[in-house]
Amino acid sequence: DTEVTQTPKHLVMGMTNKKSLKCEQHMGHRAMYWYKQKAKKPPELMFVYSYEKLSINESVPSRFSPECPNSSLLNLHLHALQPEDSALYLCASSQIEGAFSEQYFGPGTRLTVT
Amino acid sequence: DAKTTQPNSMESNEEEPVHLPCNHSTISGTDYIHWYRQLPSQGPEYVIHGLTSNVNNRMASLAIAEDRKSSTLILHRATLRDAAVYYCILRGPQGAQKLVFGQGTRLTINP
Repeated sequence: DTEVTQTPKHLVMGMTNKKSLKCEQHMGHRAMYWYKQKAKKPPELMFVYSYEKLSINESVPSRFSPECPNSSLLNLHLHALQPEDSALYLCASSQIEGAFSEQYFGPGTRLTVT
Repeated sequence: DAKTTQPNSMESNEEEPVHLPCNHSTISGTDYIHWYRQLPSQGPEYVIHGLTSNVNNRMASLAIAEDRKSSTLILHRATLRDAAVYYCILRGPQGAQKLVFGQGTRLTINP
């Protein structure tokens, strides 16, 4: 199974809402990632988890809160988002970090903030 | 991170070979060259990677120049399903966890 699953596929939320994005993989990978992709732009890294610990935060605003409850799951908690946060949120995983490691991506959650 | 330069777009015909170029003149000796592609409405997917020698896998071939300042992704027989944005990415020991995507090349395949 080389699949990364993400739920929900689509999410519409208001600026005062709290919601969560979920990502799951069962490949035994120990590194997991969140990327953000605006329309017609390349993906941008947000967070990296390595062995369930946050190892990289690319200066992401605190209204985005990642969580890695176990080695298979990665969540992104959203609170008080702005309309400019509307984007495709991609999750990925890899066998631990390394310049030669391949990242597997999920299909993404398309988020609209109204 | 060392930067890569790719053409914004390319077009080819179905069942013909496609050569996607990437320039990376500031590549360091320890940087791996990775290629990913993103099909419409999907997440990126890994295509191939290499360090110095040319590489082949079931999806594509990677030809790396002798001075490593450029590389070419080769799709031997393009299909309509190969229409995607192709990203050439350098990954070195520093920041190896990161994939830093450039603008990529949007490949169109004509039937």
